[in-house]
Order: sequence, then structure tokens, then C-alpha cells
Amino acid sequence: QVQLVQSGAEVKKPGASVKVSCKASGYTFTGYYMHWVRQAPGQGLEWMGRINPNSGGTNYAQKFQGRVTMTRDTSISTAYMELSRLRSDDTAVYYCAREGGPDYYYMDVWGKGTTVTVSS
Amino acid sequence: SYELTQPLSVSVALGQTARITCGGNNIGSKNVHWYQQKPGQAPVLVIYRDSNRPSGIPERFSGSNSGNTATLTISRAQAGDEADYYCQVWDSSTDVVFGGGTKLTVL
Repeated sequence: QVQLVQSGAEVKKPGASVKVSCKASGYTFTGYYMHWVRQAPGQGLEWMGRINPNSGGTNYAQKFQGRVTMTRDTSISTAYMELSRLRSDDTAVYYCAREGGPDYYYMDVWGKGTTVTVSS
Repeated sequence: SYELTQPLSVSVALGQTARITCGGNNIGSKNVHWYQQKPGQAPVLVIYRDSNRPSGIPERFSGSNSGNTATLTISRAQAGDEADYYCQVWDSSTDVVFGGGTKLTVL
């Protein structure tokens, strides 16, 4: 079955970086864009950006430009999201989610989320 | 930038019909998608491209979109439908944007 398995929880200090992984299975990894969405405690969903696993091309939300980097390793069907210069308000659950179809921009399969805590 | 407006909360009696709205400027010209999120869980797509249900989503869930309002309708509401619901669109100025979310309570 189609599945996205994310890496485990992280605790980071302010100013550090975090890299979250998302391993896809059950479908052709390069055939579907991958999005990253985060959710701060008690808050709504916030889109961070997406990557085309086939070409490596990315689109980032303006808010995260310069701080986020999305990459992929097609040999192991895994997407990565790295966020740098962490602040306390980056504390959130980070989700990867597969786009349902090219440029449809809806997310039909989601990972379970990775909790990132930023604290000194 | 493009914004989506949802009511903070909606209540519905068990077995009745719930309607959750999503407002945006000329949203009728966009493709609207809806997600259900239960506490401690990842979101689940329940409606895509205004009115399409993914496989496994009950027929009780339906969507419509016109003018400045998109609507998610949940017929014969069940206790298991209690969740937060988010609308989402893509806009050329904002890329992907989510509404603020609506908490559905089934009484």
C-alpha cells in the first residue's frame, strides 16, 4: 500500500538546523510531487513547499525562502526537508504529503508527522 | 496574498447535516480541497477539486464551490466525524494556502 514513513522526533537548540526524512513506498516515487506542511501546537496547517522528485525542482513558500531546503534521493525513494536557523516558533509537527496529481496541488497521502521541538 | 476564511466551529446534531464553509475572493474559479484531521493524527483528504471523493471516503461527504464560498457538506453526521476540517487551494500569488480550520462538534 502507498505509505510515507517519516523520521523520528527531534529536539534542537535555537539557531541549529533540522533535517526530516520521508521514505515513500507502494508507488513510483518520481511520479508525484512531495509537499511539506507543518502544524504548530494548537494551530492550523501551514504549507512550506514542494519538490518534484523527478527533476529535483522546488517551490518554497515565501515565508521560508532562504531557510528551507527540500531535496530527494531517488535511489531510496526518500524526500528530505531541512530547516535552518531554528527559532522557538518553529516548534511543530512536520508532515510530508504526496500530491495527488501533477499540478493539482492536493495532498492525497500523508506521513504520520515528525515532531520538532526547538528549545534552549 | 490570497486568504481563506473558515468558521472556528460548527455544531451539528447526530444524524443531521453539517455544512462547513470556506470563503475566498472568487474561490469559485479555483480548485478547492478539504481535509479532515482528528486529534493526534495526520490530515486525511476527504474532498478534492471541489467535489470529488477519494476512494474510501463515505458518500456522506460532498463538496461544492461557487462565487466566493466553497462548502463541505457532511450528511447524517456521526460521532466519528468530529474533527478539524481544513480547506485548501492553490493561488498564483500565494502558492498553496490553507484555511484556518473548523472544529466540527457532533452533539
